[in-house]
Amino acid sequence: DTEVTQTPKHLVMGMTNKKSLKCEQHMGHRAMYWYKQKAKKPPELMFVYSYEKLSINESVPSRFSPECPNSSLLNLHLHALQPEDSALYLCASSQDLGFQETQYFGPGTRLLVL
Amino acid sequence: AQKITQTQPGMFVQEKEAVTLDCTYDTSDQSYGLFWYKQPSSGEMIFLIYQGSYDEQNATEGRYSLNFQKARKSANLVISASQLGDSAMYFCAMRGPRAALIFGKGTTLSVSS
Repeated sequence: DTEVTQTPKHLVMGMTNKKSLKCEQHMGHRAMYWYKQKAKKPPELMFVYSYEKLSINESVPSRFSPECPNSSLLNLHLHALQPEDSALYLCASSQDLGFQETQYFGPGTRLLVL
Repeated sequence: AQKITQTQPGMFVQEKEAVTLDCTYDTSDQSYGLFWYKQPSSGEMIFLIYQGSYDEQNATEGRYSLNFQKARKSANLVISASQLGDSAMYFCAMRGPRAALIFGKGTTLSVSS
């Protein structure tokens, strides 16, 4: 089973709201990722967690706050977002950080910031 | 720095025909992985096929095969017997010692009956 689940599928929020995106995998993977994808563009890496520790933060604004409560779960907390943050947010996981390890993606959360 | 180049913004093919999607890459790493993903309009990134830098044989997965030419730094995806459901955006991606997947700009494939 190579399933990564994400909730919610769609989210509309105002610039003053606080919301969270959730990602879950049960493949025993120890690396999890958040990507942001704008329309007709490739995904861009935001964060990487390895063994529940933040491994990479690609200079993401502090209004995005990741959290890895356990090896199966990854959250992305959103606060005071801007309209330009509207995008598809993809979660992925892989066995570990090895170059040969395939990243499996969830279906994504489509976020609209008003 | 690593870079992936996909030069075909759009490709058109008829059902049951084969199609090749081009991908070239640039890296100074000796160890790397090359991946192809399919992204339908629903948004989900679906893993298709993987080729490792040390693999001597071209990878195959059902109707998908990867034409890996290491000296040319190319990793083209070949889809045989195209189906209407193959219509989607296709991304070539690379992963080196650093964790991130580096994606190309993608190719939109349209399959017609």
